[in-house]
Amino acid sequence: GAGVSQSPSNKVTEKGKDVELRCDPISGHTALYWYRQSLGQGLEFLIYFQGNSAPDKSGLPSDRFSAERTGGSVSTLTIQRTQQEDSAVYLCASSRWAGTSGGYNEQFFGPGTRLTVL
Amino acid sequence: AQKVTQTQTEISVVEKEDVTLDCVYETRDTTYYLFWYKQPPSGELVFLIRRNSFDEQNEISGRYSWNFQKSTSSFNFTITASQVVDSAVYFCALGYSGGYNKLIFGAGTRLAVHP
Repeated sequence: GAGVSQSPSNKVTEKGKDVELRCDPISGHTALYWYRQSLGQGLEFLIYFQGNSAPDKSGLPSDRFSAERTGGSVSTLTIQRTQQEDSAVYLCASSRWAGTSGGYNEQFFGPGTRLTVL
Repeated sequence: AQKVTQTQTEISVVEKEDVTLDCVYETRDTTYYLFWYKQPPSGELVFLIRRNSFDEQNEISGRYSWNFQKSTSSFNFTITASQVVDSAVYFCALGYSGGYNKLIFGAGTRLAVHP
């Protein structure tokens, strides 16, 4: 089947504008993750969804960042009042849920959205 | 705290050489998972392997092999007879019990394989 898809692939915006990034996970994957990859910080976890709820938002860097997931499928990451330091590649991943045992299933990553804030 | 350290920033080899990528992890959890991902120039992260903390058996998959040693908290990755197509950034990652499935990534090692 299809892999994780993300849109747009590239986004250039001006400082202070809001942006929305979209992620479409692999069908049947109930777990969804957002990560950010930037030059200085490497790959950082942002938020994790199980179904439509987000039990772990610990990686969101500020209250300008928010995310939602509807219907247990598509997720949107919104960055308000973008700043230049938000420039990065935003990666989405999905996996089958490993259950409550604390196990981990492999995460499948999308191609990412490259965000440039001018 | 959970942490993954990849000390090799960049490695350059000639085709057919063997190369080992180092990964050292830190966690106080007794149940944890280790991963390797490959990020080719196209940018998409590709899953290579998952290993849980209770399984210290080394694994071989074609030209790839992984050496998991709990005594040294290491999970090293060896590519035998490297090829140009192996050129990529390789990330080691840690998942830990109670971590809500998030992955803690190392900084990555950029491998360049030259003809």
